[in-house]
This record gives sequence, C-alpha cells and structure tokens, in this order.
Amino acid sequence: SQKIEQNSEALNIQEGKTATLTCNYTNYSPAYLQWYRQDPGRGPVFLLLIRENEKEKRKERLKVTFDTTLKQSLFHITASQPADSATYLCALDPGGYNKLIFGAGTRLAVHP
Amino acid sequence: GAGVSQSPSNKVTEKGKDVELRCDPISGHTALYWYRQSLGQGLEFLIYFQGNSAPDKSGLPSDRFSAERTGGSVSTLTIQRTQQEDSAVYLCASSVWTGGDYGYTFGSGTRLTVV
Repeated sequence: SQKIEQNSEALNIQEGKTATLTCNYTNYSPAYLQWYRQDPGRGPVFLLLIRENEKEKRKERLKVTFDTTLKQSLFHITASQPADSATYLCALDPGGYNKLIFGAGTRLAVHP
Repeated sequence: GAGVSQSPSNKVTEKGKDVELRCDPISGHTALYWYRQSLGQGLEFLIYFQGNSAPDKSGLPSDRFSAERTGGSVSTLTIQRTQQEDSAVYLCASSVWTGGDYGYTFGSGTRLTVV
C-alpha cells in the first residue's frame, strides 16, 4: 500500500542545534515533494518544494534533501530557535496534477 | 484577497443538520482543494477543483458530502445530515498552476463540532 511516514514522536532539541526531520514514502514515485509548517489552530504554511531531479534545496536556515532511491526526504533547520517550534508536514503529489498527499507530521520543540 | 479566507471559523451543529463551509481563495489561483484534519491526525484529501470543475472527488467520505465552485473563485463544501464523526477542522487551500516552485496557500480552517 502507499504510505507517507513521518516520525510520530516529538523531536526535542536545544536552541542553536540543527533539527533533522525525516519523511519516508513507499509505493509512490513523486515528481516533487513539499514541506509545510503548521502551528496550533492554523492552516499549514508552505516552506519548500524539491523536485525529483534535485538532491538538495536551501532557503535561509532550511535545507531539504530528496533521495528517490531511498524514497526519503530529510528536512533540516540549522541554528534552531524556539520560534521554530511547530509541526512539520511533508507532502507529495502521486498523480502529477498537484493533488498533495500529506504525512501526519512531526512536532518539533526547540528549548531555550 | 491577500490570503485564503474560510468561514465560519467555528461551527457547532446538532447531529442531523446540514452545514455549509465557505472558502474564498487567492484571486487568480485556479486550483482549489479541500482537506479535513481530525484531532492529532494528518490532512485527509477531500476534493480538488481546477477552475469550476472537480476532476478528483475521490476523497469525499460519503454522498452526504458535496462541494461546488462558482466563477472560478468561491467554493462551498456542504455536509448533509451531519454525524459526530464529521467533527474535524476543514481546511481549504488554493494554488497557482505553474511549473515553477509553488505550494498550497491554506486558510485557517473551519472547526466543525457535531453534538
């Protein structure tokens, strides 16, 4: 069956460290993968998109990698801050017409 | 508008009543999506519009759920004869259909509680 898996356990890290979140998928061959941030009571906010022919993408303190052989994307936040505390969702488009399927998300807590 | 607007933000309804949820997407966004998020769960796809057409309704849970979009803009999600299991946050998103780097812009959602 098709699955998108993100670590359901919360990730707790100290301020200033690098947070690394994992997204694994099975039985999909997506053309691209996206990452979103969701704060309590709010809709998800788009952060980054990475295409299948891109190994890595960066935006400010964010870095995303995409390994289509491992069927895995890693999401890194460097020099993390308490304001980065949120739930982070990965999403992929299985059909190529921008209908996204979302993982359940990983909650990140950055402690001062 | 500047963002995706959803109304109402909260709705409490009695079991068996019908409800209408409204989504006003970003002007010019041709694609519009409805998702549902239950407490502590991921986003569940409901329906996708391209313009006024709905090429993918595969996520609608039952025939009690329907949606329409008019003028390539506002969309309404209707739930008839609501059940307690319909309680969730209903999220609407819109996007520009381009080949560049784009993502969804979500509204803040409608929290539906069926009592």
